[in-house]
Amino acid sequence: KAGVTQTPRYLIKTRGQQVTLSCSPISGHRSVSWYQQTPGQGLQFLFEYFSETQRNKGNFPGRFSGRQFSNSRSEMNVSTLELGDSALYLCASSLATSGVTGELFFGEGSRLTVL
Amino acid sequence: AQSVAQPEDQVNVAEGNPLTVKCTYSVSGNPYLFWYVQYPNRGLQFLLKYITGDNLVKGSYGFEAEFNKSQTSFHLKKPSALVSDSALYFCAVRDMINTPLVFGKGTRLSVIA
Repeated sequence: KAGVTQTPRYLIKTRGQQVTLSCSPISGHRSVSWYQQTPGQGLQFLFEYFSETQRNKGNFPGRFSGRQFSNSRSEMNVSTLELGDSALYLCASSLATSGVTGELFFGEGSRLTVL
Repeated sequence: AQSVAQPEDQVNVAEGNPLTVKCTYSVSGNPYLFWYVQYPNRGLQFLLKYITGDNLVKGSYGFEAEFNKSQTSFHLKKPSALVSDSALYFCAVRDMINTPLVFGKGTRLSVIA
């Protein structure tokens, strides 16, 4: 079974640009979560999508947005990039019925560098 | 709101010695606790979880964790460390259905040969 696939793995942007990151979950997984990882802050929750609906949202500005498609694939977008947006963006999927007990399965991440 | 604390940014241990990576949590309901490991330039890999039952949970690669409700802790342990265990370890908690998994800031484990 294929794991969670994130594209692109690495990208470099300049301040003010926008970026779109893509995530394909494990087959059969309907929940997709996004996290931002930085050395100082650890993993911070961005948002979670389930059946094309945003189920939870973290404390990030409106420049960060996402969506989920009918095939459970998800994208996140960051507009008007700032230097502080440089981070590893991790996508994770889980089974719909996992509730509180199910673990997340992570992709390898998209490393964004903003210059 | 739930939270997790990993009090040590870095843990150093000699190969063959036992290792402990500490985690404490704060939740309003019952805690559901997880440990993940991250190797360089990789995503997080699931190690083990505590849901209910036995306070000692066994997981992948010989790791185990002990749940202590009175101390609100969930420390990760391994009887004999390997150099290949060197990585970044994250503790995480969730206490309610359909809420995000909240992670600690991570502890970097360095096993020295």
